[in-house]
Amino acid sequence: EAQVTQNPRYLITVTGKKLTVTCSQNMNHEYMSWYRQDPGLGLRQIYYSMNVEVTDKGDVPEGYKVSRKEKRNFPLILESPSPNQTSLYFCASRGLAGKGSYNEQFFGPGTRLTVL
Amino acid sequence: TQLLEQSPQFLSIQEGENLTVYCNSSSVFSSLQWYRQEPGEGPVLLVTVVTGGEVKKLKRLTFQFGDARKDSSLHITAAQPGDTGLYLCAGARMDSSYKLIFGSGTRLLVRP
Repeated sequence: EAQVTQNPRYLITVTGKKLTVTCSQNMNHEYMSWYRQDPGLGLRQIYYSMNVEVTDKGDVPEGYKVSRKEKRNFPLILESPSPNQTSLYFCASRGLAGKGSYNEQFFGPGTRLTVL
Repeated sequence: TQLLEQSPQFLSIQEGENLTVYCNSSSVFSSLQWYRQEPGEGPVLLVTVVTGGEVKKLKRLTFQFGDARKDSSLHITAAQPGDTGLYLCAGARMDSSYKLIFGSGTRLLVRP
């Protein structure tokens, strides 16, 4: 089954304790992305990756890191989490198409993070 | 700055009623997508519109892309409780079609 998986689904942690949220896709997609979803703000892009070893900042990258060592995996790292990073996080992936067209983006089930 | 404004933010209607959700921007998009999100899940793509003025139908859902590709609407005919969910529009930027800008969403509740 084609899917994007995220782990953990729920996480409660304390300020300053480093954490990693894993993301994996089995569709051989080049493009992967991380979003956070907050009430009234919709989905905001944190980081994205066009391919292995190619990553770039989205609209809200502060306080986050990512890596893309393998095509299928795109972990999100919070080196020193703070309470304002409490949010619902989604990983997504899609295949890249030519300019002017847009392939379907597949989302993971989400990770609800609470930073105390 | 929110580039995509969705309205209304909340909508509670009776089963069988019709409704329209709007997605507006001052920016031009190369394409626009509509997603539906259920509680505890990630958004799922409903449709992609690419051409200005394009209309797409998905059973009781009708999607339209504005002529100038700055706005879009989603119309649901004879809404059913199964339509309940969060509807999100997302535009692909002209300068980078790989990046999506999401609207803040419309939360729809269809009462039996």
